[in-house]
Amino acid sequence: EAGVTQFPSHSVIEKGQTVTLRCDPISGHDNLYWYRRVMGKEIKFLLHFVKESKQDESGMPNNRFLAERTGGTYSTLKVQPAELEDSGVYFCASSTLSSYNEQFFGPGTRLTVL
Amino acid sequence: GESVGLHLPTLSVQEGDNSIINCAYSNSASDYFIWYKQESGKGPQFIIDIRSNMDKRQGQRVTVLLNKTVKHLSLQIAATQPGDSAVYFCAEIVSGNTGKLIFGQGTTLQVKP
Repeated sequence: EAGVTQFPSHSVIEKGQTVTLRCDPISGHDNLYWYRRVMGKEIKFLLHFVKESKQDESGMPNNRFLAERTGGTYSTLKVQPAELEDSGVYFCASSTLSSYNEQFFGPGTRLTVL
Repeated sequence: GESVGLHLPTLSVQEGDNSIINCAYSNSASDYFIWYKQESGKGPQFIIDIRSNMDKRQGQRVTVLLNKTVKHLSLQIAATQPGDSAVYFCAEIVSGNTGKLIFGQGTTLQVKP
């Protein structure tokens, strides 16, 4: 069974540019989560989708971040315009509805904003 | 406030010895406590979890202990192997939240041959 995949694995952009990260969850997983880890800090929750609906977006830092999950399958996280402090590793995770305690993480996208 | 922390940033153990990684948490209203392992270049990998109504749970070579009185969580790894070298995170899910993980800062486990 394929795991959670994320694309790209690395992205280097300049301040002010736009970047879109993609996450493909495990097939059949209705829960999809985005997290990020900035340099030297703990992993922080960004938001949670149940199918195509946003269940909890309390961790989104500001309105420069936009997440979508049209059709309830893959998800995208767009940062526009990117700022220096957005640099970090962005993880996506998925789980079944009932087993939200067991989330499967993707390998992450390392974003560097110069 | 909501926070989960770890006592030590780095733990170094001899191969074959047992490892104990500790975590302190502050939120009494958590349903689940979970341990994740993260190897270099990979995402966190679920190891084991424990519900708040339990105090001990065992897996394969791993045991998680939960002490709600002092809000302490630990992960014990038996017969530590080089493949156990990684960063270990504890995390919690607060009751009423359907999966929002609150992570601690991580402990790097180094296994010496």
